[in-house]
Amino acid sequence: GAVVSQHPSWVICKSGTSVKIECRSLDFQATTMFWYRQFPKQSLMLMATSNEGSKATYEQGVEKDKFLINHASLTLSTLTVTSAHPEDSSFYICSAPMVNTGELFFGEGSRLTVL
Amino acid sequence: AQSVTQPDIHITVSEGASLELRCNYSYGATPYLFWYVQSPGQGLQLLLKYFSGDTLVQGIKGFEAEFKRSQSSFNLRKPSVHWSDAAEYFCAVGANFGNEKLTFGTGTRLTIIP
Repeated sequence: GAVVSQHPSWVICKSGTSVKIECRSLDFQATTMFWYRQFPKQSLMLMATSNEGSKATYEQGVEKDKFLINHASLTLSTLTVTSAHPEDSSFYICSAPMVNTGELFFGEGSRLTVL
Repeated sequence: AQSVTQPDIHITVSEGASLELRCNYSYGATPYLFWYVQSPGQGLQLLLKYFSGDTLVQGIKGFEAEFKRSQSSFNLRKPSVHWSDAAEYFCAVGANFGNEKLTFGTGTRLTIIP
């Protein structure tokens, strides 16, 4: 079946640094990808919609300058957490809908820990 | 605005027993409903979905769910659970076929005891 892959699976960084997380659709093209954030033992909250070739659409309350999203190609979207702080520590999950079926495929998630 | 409620935060079931996870939704039009399963530290896997038609939906791993419009519910069931079913289960509602923006419930953690 269709696969969406995230990299890295986990990352630890120092406060103040920036971290980039990649989301790739491995066997299908995705003009749109979605980034979710999941706090421990909580649900997934949609952060933004990544659009290939155009600016991302952010949900209310999500800082676009803090969470930079780039959708450089039909198979790759990146989320960059800029000037990371401990409160940015979370599990970040991306997803991509397959155009023909509309089914949504999720990546394995990336766990960010900011020290 | 759409919303999803999963009233049970944690459920413990004996292996081989039946399971029902509750999900209630709030949405103005006909909803697109989903159940996902998440193993620890992993992404989400789609168990089943309901768009239209037969209100009893069969999914993978022996799961099924029934859409009841009158009760705004989409409960997940399995007649006999296996130890490998221990995971977090999320109900979600979407606004359209492409399910771009899913609203997730808070999840139900399932523990299986021998």
